[in-house]
This record gives sequence, structure tokens and C-alpha cells, in this order.
Amino acid sequence: KAGVTQTPRYLIKTRGQQVTLSCSPISGHRSVSWYQQTPGQGLQFLFEYFSETQRNKGNFPGRFSGRQFSNSRSEMNVSTLELGDSALYLCASSLTYSNEQFFGPGTRLTVL
Amino acid sequence: KNEVEQSPQNLTAQEGEFITINCSYSVGISALHWLQQHPGGGIVSLFMLSSGKKKHGRLIATINIQEKHSSLHITASHPRDSAVYICAVRWDTDKLIFGTGTRLQVFP
Repeated sequence: KAGVTQTPRYLIKTRGQQVTLSCSPISGHRSVSWYQQTPGQGLQFLFEYFSETQRNKGNFPGRFSGRQFSNSRSEMNVSTLELGDSALYLCASSLTYSNEQFFGPGTRLTVL
Repeated sequence: KNEVEQSPQNLTAQEGEFITINCSYSVGISALHWLQQHPGGGIVSLFMLSSGKKKHGRLIATINIQEKHSSLHITASHPRDSAVYICAVRWDTDKLIFGTGTRLQVFP
């Protein structure tokens, strides 16, 4: 069974631009969570989707948004990029929201 | 004060040593996760537990709900165990809060 895939793996943007990251969960998994990892703040929860509905949202500004499609694939969008948005963005999928999570390889975003 | 505290922050060991990493939390939780992150960023879920003890190969995880404490043990450590180990707790409608991680280096 294929693992969680994330595209793109690396991305370079400039301040003010917007970016869309994609996550394809393991087949059959209906829950997708997104996390941001930075050297200063560590791993932080962004949001969680289950069956196309956002179940939870972390403490991030409204510039960070996401959605989940009917095939459980998920996208997250960051608008008006800031230097501090440079980070590794990880998604994880699970069968449902209370099961063990399986992580993707991450998308490393650099904002110049 | 962070809701999830890990200790130690850094740990070095000789191959074959028994290793313990600790995690304390201050909130009521529904589950606790132990994660392993290798250089390059990939994260692997090692355990998810809400009570008692789980074992997988040379790894053992325990949790004491009353004391709000969990430990991850590695028996007969090996250089390939070198990684960052992260504790995360699931609380408040299933949000995840992460510890700052323990960087483990095992030397041959």
C-alpha cells in the first residue's frame, strides 16, 4: 500500500506570494492533518480534516487555510507569504481522527 | 510552561546501552504518541497509547495516566536509532500538542 505523498517536496517563494501544498493520504484513510515544523517553534498543529470537514484548527492566522476533497486528498494554502512561514509542512493521514497517524515526507517551503 | 515537556533534550549513548526518554504533560489527554524523526525530516509513528505499556521490537512505551507521564525505552541501542524522538498528546477535541523532542545519538 502506498504511503502518504506530498507535493511538491521543495518550494521557494517570495514574500507576498501565495502557495498551495498537496497531500494524498493512504488509500482508505479519511482523516488528514497538517503540521508546521520550524527550528524555533518545533512541530505545531495547523488543522485536521475528516470526510471533507475541518474538525480542528490550530492557532494560526487566517492566511493559512485548507480543504479536503471527496477522495480524501487535501490541500493547504498560505496567502500573503511572510519570511516566518519558511518551514517544513507535514501532513499525516489516519483511518479516522482517533487512529494512529502516518506521516508524509513533508514539503519544505522557503520564503525569500 | 509548555503543556508537554520532554527530557532529556539531548542524549548520547554507546551502542548496546539501555535508553529512556521521558515525557510529562499537564492536560487531560485521550492518547499519547511517540514519534521518530530522522535527519531529512521524515516522521514515523512509533506508538499510540492511552494506558499501560506497548512493545515493538526493541522499543517499549509506557504511560501513567494518573501521574501524566510517559516513557520511551530503547533496549540494546544501535546507531540506526539515532534520531529525534517526539512525544505528542491528543487532547481537547483531538488536537495534538508536541514536545520539543529529544535528540538521540548512538555511537558504535
